[in-house]
Amino acid sequence: GQNIDQPTEMTATEGAIVQINCTYQTSGFNGLFWYQQHAGEAPTFLSYNVLDGLEEKGRFSSFLSRSKGYSYLLLKELQMKDSASYLCAVRDSNYQLIWGAGTKLIIKP
Amino acid sequence: ETGVTQTPRHLVMGMTNKKSLKCEQHLGHNAMYWYKQSAKKPLELMFVYSLEERVENNSVPSRFSPECPNSSHLFLHLHTLQPEDSALYLCASSQERGGQETQYFGPGTRLLVL
Repeated sequence: GQNIDQPTEMTATEGAIVQINCTYQTSGFNGLFWYQQHAGEAPTFLSYNVLDGLEEKGRFSSFLSRSKGYSYLLLKELQMKDSASYLCAVRDSNYQLIWGAGTKLIIKP
Repeated sequence: ETGVTQTPRHLVMGMTNKKSLKCEQHLGHNAMYWYKQSAKKPLELMFVYSLEERVENNSVPSRFSPECPNSSHLFLHLHTLQPEDSALYLCASSQERGGQETQYFGPGTRLLVL
């Protein structure tokens, strides 16, 4: 079966750095997405990785290792507004998105 | 503002009611999706429409019936639902171009079935 694993919940401090991990087992791989979802709101696109390595976008970076079936989302200089759920999704060989259950990130002052 | 709107935002219905969820995308995309999101569970893809034709139906019960009259509008018709159908229903759209498209989501309809 296909599976995406990510921690259910994480807590971090304002101004700090946090890394949210995602591991996947899918039938094929055609890219990995990270989305942010604030409570009661739409998931919004953060990043897309299809090749190994680190993609940096301001305070957010996303890393991919296809050989390890592993990705992480790195958030720097955390702000209170970063409190949200972070969803990892992998596009399989049929170009269907397989979703993780999301990681709820709690930021404390 | 993501360019995808959904109405209503909240809906409470009894098991014998019939209601419809509406989604509209203002992004010029050619594919639209319905997802179900339950607490602490992965997003479940329900239906996919590409160029107004249904291309995916992931074993969804017949009490959910989608309709896509044009590339900008998507409906989900609901009838004789069960309490376990209570969830957040998300609509998304994308521009298909060989598998690299990003999906853009609406804010969802929070559905409670009593």
